[in-house]
Amino acid sequence: KAGVTQTPRYLIKTRGQQVTLSCSPISGHRSVSWYQQTPGQGLQFLFEYFSETQRNKGNFPGRFSGRQFSNSRSEMNVSTLELGDSALYLCASDYLSGGRGTDTQYFGPGTRLTVL
Amino acid sequence: AQSVTQLDSQVPVFEEAPVELRCNYSSSVSVYLFWYVQYPNQGLQLLLKYLSGSTLVKGINGFEAEFNKSQTSFHLRKPSVHISDTAEYFCAVSESGNTGKLIFGQGTTLQVKP
Repeated sequence: KAGVTQTPRYLIKTRGQQVTLSCSPISGHRSVSWYQQTPGQGLQFLFEYFSETQRNKGNFPGRFSGRQFSNSRSEMNVSTLELGDSALYLCASDYLSGGRGTDTQYFGPGTRLTVL
Repeated sequence: AQSVTQLDSQVPVFEEAPVELRCNYSSSVSVYLFWYVQYPNQGLQLLLKYLSGSTLVKGINGFEAEFNKSQTSFHLRKPSVHISDTAEYFCAVSESGNTGKLIFGQGTTLQVKP
């Protein structure tokens, strides 16, 4: 079974631009979570989507948004990029049915975003 | 709300020596606990998890961890490390039954020396 895939793997943007990152979960997984990893703040939870609905949300400004499609693929968008948004963005998926599943998140390789 | 503290940012150890990476958590509700490993330029790989039951949990690559509720700890151990274990290790916590939101510690870099 293929793992979690994220595209693109690397991205360079300039301040003020917006960016969209994509995540395809493991086949059959319906929950997708996003995390930001930086040297200073470590790994921080952004949001989780399940069945196209946001289930959990972290403490990030409204410039960070996401969505999930009917095939469970997810995208996250960052508008008006700032230098501090430079980070590795990780996506993780889990199988959930009736609210329960493997209780384990499987991570993708991440998208490295650099904001100049 | 939950929080996780990894007490050591770096742990140097010689090959074939034992190692312990320490993790303490804080939570007002029942939790699940996880250890993940991250190799350079890669995502996170699950080493082991504690959901319920036996407090001693065995994972992949010879790692194990013990859940201690009274001390709110979940320390990771390996009796004999290899060069290939050099990586960053993250302890994480979630509310029981809500594993879509993981709270991570700051990470511990394990440096295995020959």
